[in-house]
Amino acid sequence: QKEVEQNSGPLSVPEGAIASLNCTYSDRGSQSFFWYRQYSGKSPELIMFIYSNGDKEDGRFTAQLNKASQYVSLLIRDSQPSDSATYLCAVNSPGGATNKLIFGTGTLLAVQP
Amino acid sequence: ETGVTQTPRHLVMGMTNKKSLKCEQHLGHNAMYWYKQSAKKPLELMFVYSLEERVENNSVPSRFSPECPNSSHLFLHLHTLQPEDSALYLCASSQELQGAFGYTFGSGTRLTVV
Repeated sequence: QKEVEQNSGPLSVPEGAIASLNCTYSDRGSQSFFWYRQYSGKSPELIMFIYSNGDKEDGRFTAQLNKASQYVSLLIRDSQPSDSATYLCAVNSPGGATNKLIFGTGTLLAVQP
Repeated sequence: ETGVTQTPRHLVMGMTNKKSLKCEQHLGHNAMYWYKQSAKKPLELMFVYSLEERVENNSVPSRFSPECPNSSHLFLHLHTLQPEDSALYLCASSQELQGAFGYTFGSGTRLTVV
């Protein structure tokens, strides 16, 4: 059973701080990795994807991938109350008729003003 | 209209009813998906379609019946559902079946079975 694990939280950080969200995955054959943000009552929205080991930065967001350790993380710098949401980690794993996105349960982030 | 649109946004149905969920994507994508999202559970992949052909069915009960008449439209027909089927049903699409650039999700249908 291919799995993606996340701490459900809530992760509470003060406004302006760095929020660090972590995710581990079980399938070593996984090829691409995604972070989605989901506001309460809304659908998931893609914010970052990463394919290669190392860091990828986009504005206040940095995705980090370590395939040897099978973890991927998301850093949010200068956290804002509007960043409060559930962050879903998704891993694209080959297998069956198609690659498929396997999702974690998500980490609830609460940014305190 | 842009992106992926789903209707209805909310649906309440009895266990003996028949209803359908509709999804339409305006992105020119070739693959479409149905996911189920229940509280405190990961998104569960239900069905995968590529260019109108079903390529995956993840052991979903037969009371859920998908239909993909063309590459832009996807339906989920529901009949004799159970209360545990109450959940958020999300449609998604991707450029190609491999989903290398991730999926774009619709706003979802919140289903309540009474």
